[in-house]
Amino acid sequence: AQKVTQAQTEISVVEKEDVTLDCVYETRDTTYYLFWYKQPPSGELVFLIRRNSFDEQNEISGRYSWNFQKSTSSFNFTITASQVVDSAVYFCALIGPRAQKLVFGQGTRLTINP
Amino acid sequence: EAGVAQSPRYKIIEKRQSVAFWCNPISGHATLYWYQQILGQGPKLLIQFQNNGVVDDSQLPKDRFSAERLKGVDSTLKIQPAKLEDSAVYLCASSAGVSSGNTIYFGEGSWLTVV
Repeated sequence: AQKVTQAQTEISVVEKEDVTLDCVYETRDTTYYLFWYKQPPSGELVFLIRRNSFDEQNEISGRYSWNFQKSTSSFNFTITASQVVDSAVYFCALIGPRAQKLVFGQGTRLTINP
Repeated sequence: EAGVAQSPRYKIIEKRQSVAFWCNPISGHATLYWYQQILGQGPKLLIQFQNNGVVDDSQLPKDRFSAERLKGVDSTLKIQPAKLEDSAVYLCASSAGVSSGNTIYFGEGSWLTVV
């Protein structure tokens, strides 16, 4: 069975601080995809990044960066110089090659205070 | 490119009444999903369609929930009769499948309150 764990339920930081959201996953598949989604108060799940299991290169996109470590089954997300607009619930998710079913973690509510 | 469209955005009904939600996926996406998201939790898959066939409905409460995807495009999710615990956001999503690296795109959701 596939499982995604986001141990941090809520995080609150002051604007301009760096913040890391943790994600740990479990799967028996050798091929899989990992995702991060952002859910602002409006409710829509906004796609941020997809990473496949064969690509362990870290990725940076502006203030966002992702650290994928297969050895520890982790896919952590860091926001550098956080801004108030980053406040949202962030979900890590996993999909296998056959199931085509996205399994979500419980989410981390991030609050950036001015 | 237009995203996943859902309606209505908000609905308040009394328990034992019925409700229906509509979803129009991204053009060309063969796979369509309905997820239920209860406040404070991650989304949970209710049903997955591949074109107009059901791939996975193992977590759909079939005694009260039903869904269809006629002609392999739009989909409707119905709840009848509704219970208080059905209060949630119902998210529709679509994907082009393996060819797109399995990225799944979500709509804004339909917020249901059962009173």
